[in-house]
Amino acid sequence: GQQLNQSPQSMFIQEGEDVSMNCTSSSIFNTWLWYKQDPGEGPVLLIALYKAGELTSNGRLTAQFGITRKDSFLNISASIPSDVGIYFCAGRDGAGGTSYGKLTFGQGTILTVHP
Amino acid sequence: GAVVSQHPSRVICKSGTSVKIECRSLDFQATTMFWYRQFPKQSLMLMATSNEGSKATYEQGVEKDKFLINHASLTLSTLTVTSAHPEDSSFYICSARMATGANVLTFGAGSRLTVL
Repeated sequence: GQQLNQSPQSMFIQEGEDVSMNCTSSSIFNTWLWYKQDPGEGPVLLIALYKAGELTSNGRLTAQFGITRKDSFLNISASIPSDVGIYFCAGRDGAGGTSYGKLTFGQGTILTVHP
Repeated sequence: GAVVSQHPSRVICKSGTSVKIECRSLDFQATTMFWYRQFPKQSLMLMATSNEGSKATYEQGVEKDKFLINHASLTLSTLTVTSAHPEDSSFYICSARMATGANVLTFGAGSRLTVL
């Protein structure tokens, strides 16, 4: 089946630093999504990417959909303590039918921000 | 915005009992709901896709007789863990896709199951 490799697994940074994480896939996805999950909560969507090559920003977050459709990265600029959490990439293929919308998740990046 | 509610948020049960988890779309209709399982410090693994009015589609390796899914209405899907064992202890998360056609998924806050 499809697999997503997300790196790094964890990051320890100082407040104010920039952060970068990425995901690569063995197969093509039509949509890339980036989520943040706080402890004991469900994932919350940060950025959605729908076109190869697309670069999208949401405040201090920037993400890109790789031109090959097999990779994506997420950058966080000027990190703050509330950025702490687990970040997941997710890919969605174009398969239709009753499984339309099905996501495959990366392993997650645990971000710790020291004040 | 779209809100998905899961209940209960936490449940502790004895081994051998069955537990039902509800996933409700509060302000929209969901033709499709997805159930995920997440073990500590791991990713979300899709268990099954639930479509209103039809049988759920289970991922490879997920026992359909153990994890019963019912999607009887456009706003409610339930996951029942039957004859639960300690290894079923996990965080179960649902997501719902709007029936309007927009391919937007909203996740619930998750349900923490602990089987003693």
